[in-house]
Amino acid sequence: EVQLVESGGGVVQPGRPLRLSCSASGFTFGDYPMSWVRQPPGKGLEWVGLVKSRRYGETTQYAASLRGTVTISRDDSNGIAYLQMHSVKTEDTGLYYCTRGLHYELYPGYYQLDSWGQGTEVIVS
Amino acid sequence: LILTQSPVSLPVTPGEPASISCRSSQSLMQNNGYNYLDWYVQKPGQSPHLLIFMGSTRASGVPDRFSGSGSGTDFTLRISRVEAEDVGVYYCVQALQTAFSFGGGTKVEIK
Repeated sequence: EVQLVESGGGVVQPGRPLRLSCSASGFTFGDYPMSWVRQPPGKGLEWVGLVKSRRYGETTQYAASLRGTVTISRDDSNGIAYLQMHSVKTEDTGLYYCTRGLHYELYPGYYQLDSWGQGTEVIVS
Repeated sequence: LILTQSPVSLPVTPGEPASISCRSSQSLMQNNGYNYLDWYVQKPGQSPHLLIFMGSTRASGVPDRFSGSGSGTDFTLRISRVEAEDVGVYYCVQALQTAFSFGGGTKVEIK
């Protein structure tokens, strides 16, 4: 069974860095792209970005609005994906989901969010 | 690229049909002929999960009362007969990995 467990959330002061972790199990972590999605309190879902698998160079893609403010990375040996926020703002408050992605060679460029964690809450105050 | 969903809120009677619209500011039809438009649902207190992909293909385990249609810039999610368990927020998603984005969501609730 695919399991994704986020951690690292909490209360953080504006301007501070914050790193979220996503521990994965139940699948061959290194074979899959991993991504992050966030949800401000009472609002909708917002795409953060993704890191591709080693096969695809571990390249990253980010939401245009967040480019330069976050970095997504992965540690395949330990099955962990990371979201590094370099300098948090109050608008970064929300629930942060880790997701496993799927892409299909038959559908170039297509990306699907296959499995989701329960999320970790970040409060910037 | 902007995805606009309507309505924002949809009160429904169990057993009745429901329909959600998603309009994109740019065509989601790719050169391969596929529409990279998915639908996800977030039920109360739960993480979201995939409902429909490529505009019209139901994800594994999704009841056949759910259907997706549309092409290009206009898409629709339909529930043929709403059940109480269908309450939640439904999101259309532009599924091109270089420009992945969510619509604003439609909250389906029981009257």
